[in-house]
Amino acid sequence: EAQVTQNPRYLITVTGKKLTVTCSQNMNHEYMSWYRQDPGLGLRQIYYSMNVEVTDKGDVPEGYKVSRKEKRNFPLILESPSPNQTSLYFCASSFFPVNEQFFGPGTRLTVL
Amino acid sequence: TQLLEQSPQFLSIQEGENLTVYCNSSSVFSSLQWYRQEPGEGPVLLVTVVTGGEVKKLKRLTFQFGDARKDSSLHITAAQPGDTGLYLCAGAGTQGGSEKLVFGKGTKLTVNP
Repeated sequence: EAQVTQNPRYLITVTGKKLTVTCSQNMNHEYMSWYRQDPGLGLRQIYYSMNVEVTDKGDVPEGYKVSRKEKRNFPLILESPSPNQTSLYFCASSFFPVNEQFFGPGTRLTVL
Repeated sequence: TQLLEQSPQFLSIQEGENLTVYCNSSSVFSSLQWYRQEPGEGPVLLVTVVTGGEVKKLKRLTFQFGDARKDSSLHITAAQPGDTGLYLCAGAGTQGGSEKLVFGKGTKLTVNP
């Protein structure tokens, strides 16, 4: 089944404790991206990747890191999480940036 | 910066009613996508409209792309509780020389039985 998987689905952590949210797709997509979704603010892009080893900042990259060592995986790293990073996070993939986006199920992160 | 404004932000209706949600911009988009996001899940593509004036139907859902490719609407006939969700529009445009998808903030629809 074609899908984007994210783990974990839910995470409660404390300020400053490094965490990684994994994202994997099995559709051989070139383009992958991370979004955060907040009430009243909609989906905002954090980082995106056009291909392996090619990543770039989206609209709200501060406090986040990403890597793309393999085509199928695109982890999101929060090195020192803060409460303002409490949000619902989505990973998405597609063949091109403006094609249909396939979203993962989301990761709900709470930073205390 | 290209922006997409969706209205209304919230909509609560009774089963069987008709409704229209709007997606507007001052910018021209090469195409426009509509997604539905159900609680606890990621957005899922419903339709892509490409040509100005284009109308696409998906069962009880009718999507229209404005003639100038700056706006779009989604009309639902005889809404059902299963239509409940967040409806997002996304426009394909160019920013900083790169192709980019711009998302609206969404319309949260609740259909009450």
